[in-house]
Amino acid sequence: SQQGEEDPQALSIQEGENATMNCSYKTSINNLQWYRQNSGRGLVHLILIRSNEREKHSGRLRVTLDTSKKSSSLLITASRAADTASYFCATVTSGAQKLVFGQGTRLTINP
Amino acid sequence: NAGVTQTPKFQVLKTGQSMTLQCAQDMNHNSMYWYRQDPGMGLRLIYYSASEGTTDKGEVPNGYNVSRLNKREFSLRLESAAPSQTSVYFCASLPPGSYNEQFFGPGTRLTVL
Repeated sequence: SQQGEEDPQALSIQEGENATMNCSYKTSINNLQWYRQNSGRGLVHLILIRSNEREKHSGRLRVTLDTSKKSSSLLITASRAADTASYFCATVTSGAQKLVFGQGTRLTINP
Repeated sequence: NAGVTQTPKFQVLKTGQSMTLQCAQDMNHNSMYWYRQDPGMGLRLIYYSASEGTTDKGEVPNGYNVSRLNKREFSLRLESAAPSQTSVYFCASLPPGSYNEQFFGPGTRLTVL
């Protein structure tokens, strides 16, 4: 069974708007990662947040982590058509070297 | 650096046929992984190898075998393909350390008829 549950499953917004995706997980983690997948392609790493961090920024990306609620969010600001992709959260538990993926959010940016 | 490469890119098999998916990385990473991705789903771990000479089962290992041939190469074998194994298969590698990203190959799209 997959660790992460993502919400929403699909999101469609206008270019320039902000997009927020949420991820919930079940067990204690060492870190949580977000990946992007363009249609028919492999996954590309976006950002990693450690369990002792609450917020992290990378360019137009902002990730938050609430370990008490076992949840994370990914915010993409000022969206662009090129941001159209599926976004996955993945968790790593302490001592493990394995990623456990959520089902993903399919983001569509309309021009 | 080529990163993580996978061959073939596409494959069609008949039920009962066997095949091996190849994966290689040139980043000197210790850990390597095989995932499958079904339509509308996230990736599920099939097998992984934390280091050369070791392999471990992931979430969905049934029907698959793996070989960590050397540090660079990690192959996935389907001995008797079934339609339920129709999927996209991704290989990934991980540098040493506790807080690192995995690097993914472009995937192999497999259809079993």
